[in-house]
Formats: sequence, C-alpha cells, structure tokens
Amino acid sequence: DVKVTQSSRYLVKRTGEKVFLECVQDMDHENMFWYRQDPGLGLRLIYFSYDVKMKEKGDIPEGYSVSREKKERFSLILESASTNQTSMYLCAGRRGSRRGEAFFGQGTRLTVV
Amino acid sequence: DQQVKQNSPSLSVQEGRISILNCDYTNSMFDYFLWYKKYPAEGPTFLISISSIKDKNEDGRFTVFLNKSAKHLSLHIVPSQPGDSAVYFCAASARIVGNEKLTFGTGTRLTIIP
Repeated sequence: DVKVTQSSRYLVKRTGEKVFLECVQDMDHENMFWYRQDPGLGLRLIYFSYDVKMKEKGDIPEGYSVSREKKERFSLILESASTNQTSMYLCAGRRGSRRGEAFFGQGTRLTVV
Repeated sequence: DQQVKQNSPSLSVQEGRISILNCDYTNSMFDYFLWYKKYPAEGPTFLISISSIKDKNEDGRFTVFLNKSAKHLSLHIVPSQPGDSAVYFCAASARIVGNEKLTFGTGTRLTIIP
C-alpha cells in the first residue's frame, strides 16, 4: 500500500508562531503537493514540488514557504501563523512520469489562536 | 478565478438510485480528469479518472463521462449505497513543464438516504 504520512493530525498554535507541517511519502514519487481545504472553497493548492530542492507556487502561496531537501519529504512552513491560516492541510504525492492519481495523507487540522 | 467548478454544494439521493455529480472546467489545456471522495477528518481517496482522448470510463458502480466541447464531466454512481455518503471533488490537470499539478473543484456533499 502506498503511504503519505503527515506528522500531526491536530495542531493548535498561537498567532505569530512559526509552524512546520511535515509530510513523508514512501512511493518514490517525484511530485509532492500541499493543499488547504476550507468549507465552500474546496482544495486550494499552496505549493508543489516536482523534484528535490525544486518548488513552484500554487494558487495561494502567500504566508507560506516549503522545503524539499529529500525526495520523500516535503515540509510546509507558516512563517508567522495568523488566524486566517486555520484550516485543514493536505499533503499529496504523485508520480511525474505518467498520468495517474495523487495519493493524499490523512490531513492536519491546524487551529491558530 | 475558479478553473474547476462544482455548482451543486450538496445532493441527496435515495439508496439504490443513481447519483450524478457534475463538474465544469474553463481551462482548455486540461487533458486529464479525476474524481476523489473524502470522508470527514480523512484525506481524499481516488475514485476514477479519464483522459481527454476518451469520453467515458467505467469502474464497477462508478462511471465518468467527459464532454470536451462543453468542458463538462460527470460522475455516475449506480446503485448508490449508504457508504457513498461523502464529499466528492473533481480535479483536472494539464502538463506543466513536464509535470502536473491538480486543480480541484469546490466539492459536492452527497448524502445517500436509506
């Protein structure tokens, strides 16, 4: 079974804190993605990476950064957490060489207070 | 600018009947489409996909139809079962620099009534 694992299911952080969300995949997939899910807005792409040390902005990158030092690990960083970043964060991996589905982690529910 | 749209936020269907979920897209560069199912507090799981060279793909109770001229796709579930109650997202991808990102719709919450 393919696996995408996010480090936390639930997180509560204070406004202004630096927050790290970690994602690890065991599928040797080239592409990795960070989305956030909000009611009525669906899944919106924050950042994605198609190779180690490569990153591309998605549709809503403001207030976020990412790091991909190893193929299996893709980290999302909230430089200074704000209440409007309270959301469900979803990491996914997808093979780059052919069409196919993306595999998602279980999600991290982040609350910024 | 929402490039993938699901105009029905919710849908209720009787158990055993057909569920039809709709999705529209605006970007003519999209050439691969997927449907995902999501339960609360879990990540989305893949259901079925279709390439733009086809107009139909079937997998068990799930069938996806693609109408390229209308930029419209639909997911048919028949017969509907209580376990199908979930939020369904359609997604689309276009090749970008040899790699692909997925653009998702806003989702449709499907409720199957026993």
